[in-house]
Amino acid sequence: EPEVTQTPSHQVTQMGQEVILRCVPISNHLYFYWYRQILGQKVEFLVSFYNNEISEKSEIFDDQFSVERPDGSNFTLKIRSTKLEDSAMYFCASSTINRGQGFQETQYFGPGTRLLVL
Amino acid sequence: DQQVKQNSPSLSVQEGRISILNCDYTNSMFDYFLWYKKYPAEGPTFLISISSIKDKNEDGRFTVFLNKSAKHLSLHIVPSQPGDSAVYFCAALEVAGNKLTFGGGTRVLVKP
Repeated sequence: EPEVTQTPSHQVTQMGQEVILRCVPISNHLYFYWYRQILGQKVEFLVSFYNNEISEKSEIFDDQFSVERPDGSNFTLKIRSTKLEDSAMYFCASSTINRGQGFQETQYFGPGTRLLVL
Repeated sequence: DQQVKQNSPSLSVQEGRISILNCDYTNSMFDYFLWYKKYPAEGPTFLISISSIKDKNEDGRFTVFLNKSAKHLSLHIVPSQPGDSAVYFCAALEVAGNKLTFGGGTRVLVKP
């Protein structure tokens, strides 16, 4: 069964350093997402991406964050200068269709990358 | 901003019995609801969903009920199995939206 994969599974970094989290969405999916879960808190939406551009982003997704689809398979989240409060589990998700077209949608999640900022 | 709430942080149930998980929402723009299951150190796994035009959707042991007037949905698992022990998240989508809004989760423990 196709699945979303993410690398690395764990990342430890120093405050102020740049990190890149990688995701390989399900191959026929067109919509890509990043979510995060700070320990003990809810899963929160960060950003959605379609057709090589951001379609929606949350207030969390500030100028320190960026996303990219550098090739036909990878989808990346970059945090330019990490802060202590960026420590969280980051989940990538993908889906096939656009709800704006009136269809139902299921987002499928990867296993996550645990980011620890020291 | 608690648009999706799961008021029970945990639930313990005997194997073979029914598990009932509840979820309340406040945003009238939500029109599609999903339940995800999550094991430790894994990502959320999709379980079952329901559109706001329905009041029930069933898939094997899992049934989701939606009461739009009460802005309430529930997930029934019958019969519960030890492998169902996990954290269950309710999530919602707005009309024409792609951003999932999650509840805080309910940890289910199924005792053999």
